[in-house]
Amino acid sequence: NAGVMQNPRHLVRRRGQEARLRCSPMKGHSHVYWYRQLPEEGLKFMVYLQKENIIDESGMPKERFSAEFPKEGPSILRIQQVVRGDSAAYFCASSGGQQINTEAFFGQGTRLTVV
Amino acid sequence: AQSVAQPEDQVNVAEGNPLTVKCTYSVSGNPYLFWYVQYPNRGLQFLLKYITGDNLVKGSYGFEAEFNKSQTSFHLKKPSALVSDSALYFCAVRVYSSASKIIFGSGTRLSIRP
Repeated sequence: NAGVMQNPRHLVRRRGQEARLRCSPMKGHSHVYWYRQLPEEGLKFMVYLQKENIIDESGMPKERFSAEFPKEGPSILRIQQVVRGDSAAYFCASSGGQQINTEAFFGQGTRLTVV
Repeated sequence: AQSVAQPEDQVNVAEGNPLTVKCTYSVSGNPYLFWYVQYPNRGLQFLLKYITGDNLVKGSYGFEAEFNKSQTSFHLKKPSALVSDSALYFCAVRVYSSASKIIFGSGTRLSIRP
C-alpha cells in the first residue's frame, strides 16, 4: 500500500510563473490537507479538502493560491504568479475520513524554489 | 480557537539520558493529540496519539507521551535517548467541529549528543 505521494519533489519556478503541486493520497483515503513549511519553522495549515469539496480553506492566502481535489485524480495545489516569498516546502497529508481520532499520513513534500 | 504550543525551540540531551519535549494545548472541546517526527528533508512521521483512556500513551521507537488534562499538556518522553532520535518534533491537536483540521505546534528540535 503506497503512502502519500507528492510530485514533484523539487520545483523551481521564475517569478510570475505558475506552480502546480500534486498529491495522491493513500489508497482509500478521501481527505487531504495541505501545509506549508518555511525553513526552520513549523507547519502552517493551508487547506482541508474532501473529494470535490473544500472543507476548510482558512489558511489559504486570499490571492494566487487555489486547491482542488477532484473525483478522479490527485489533489492539486496551484500557485499563480509566484513570488520569492512562496519558496517553501509544501506538504500534503491524507486521512481516511473526518473521524477526529484518525491520524494523518504525510507525503515527502514538494520543495518550491522561486528564482 | 484551538492552538498548540511547544515552548522550547531546541532540547539538548546526552545519549542514554531521559528526554522530554513539551507541548501544551488550548481547545474548547475534547482534544485529540498527536506527536509527529520530521527528519531532514523528509515528511512527517506519526509517532503516537491520545484519544481517550489511559493518560500514558506508548508509540513508535520507544516514545511515550503523558496527557495531563488539568495542565493541558501532552509532553513527549523517552527513558533513554539515542543519537538517532535527533530530529524535529511536532505536537498537533484536532478538535471535532464541522471542519476538523489538524493544527501543529511550531516544532522542537531535539539534539542528542553522544
